[in-house]
Amino acid sequence: DGGITQSPKYLFRKEGQNVTLSCEQNLNHDAMYWYRQDPGQGLRLIYYSQIVNDFQKGDIAEGYSVSREKKESFPLTVTSAQKNPTAFYLCASSIDSGHSYNEQFFGPGTRLTVL
Amino acid sequence: AQSVTQLDSQVPVFEEAPVELRCNYSSSVSVYLFWYVQYPNQGLQLLLKYLSGSTLVKGINGFEAEFNKSQTSFHLRKPSVHISDTAEYFCAVSDRGTDKLIFGTGTRLQVFP
Repeated sequence: DGGITQSPKYLFRKEGQNVTLSCEQNLNHDAMYWYRQDPGQGLRLIYYSQIVNDFQKGDIAEGYSVSREKKESFPLTVTSAQKNPTAFYLCASSIDSGHSYNEQFFGPGTRLTVL
Repeated sequence: AQSVTQLDSQVPVFEEAPVELRCNYSSSVSVYLFWYVQYPNQGLQLLLKYLSGSTLVKGINGFEAEFNKSQTSFHLRKPSVHISDTAEYFCAVSDRGTDKLIFGTGTRLQVFP
């Protein structure tokens, strides 16, 4: 069954700790994305990657880091520098890069709560 | 920079009534337009998209949207809603030649029996 998996579904961390959110896809898609969703603000792009070993900052990259060592994996690290990390995080992928007409497929999301 | 406005944050409607969710975008240059639906605590799912051609686009679950270039709008409609349509709906736009989607703030559709 093809799709995008994100784990865990719920994550709790203490303030000041780094935390890594997992995103895996078996769709053989080139492009992957991380979004942050806050109530009433829609989705905001954190980072995206068009190809393995390459990624670009989105609109709200400060306090986050990513890696893309494998085509199917795009983990997101929320660092202690992120001032308001509590949010719902969504990972997405699309078949190739540079063509914004392609549908983005979304994972089920991870809800991060920092205590 | 491109932006998307969804004026209605919440739309309450009774079951079997028609509904329209409004979406306006800022730029009149060539764009691609999308509507996504999000059920509670889930990811987003594509409802429909406009790339070119006919301005009336039909999607899944009986939804349709009309692209209006002069009004820079892409409103979503359904002639008769069901309880199961209760969800949040996001309009998104991308400029041709870019690789990023810009999302609106979402409209929560609440269908009552």
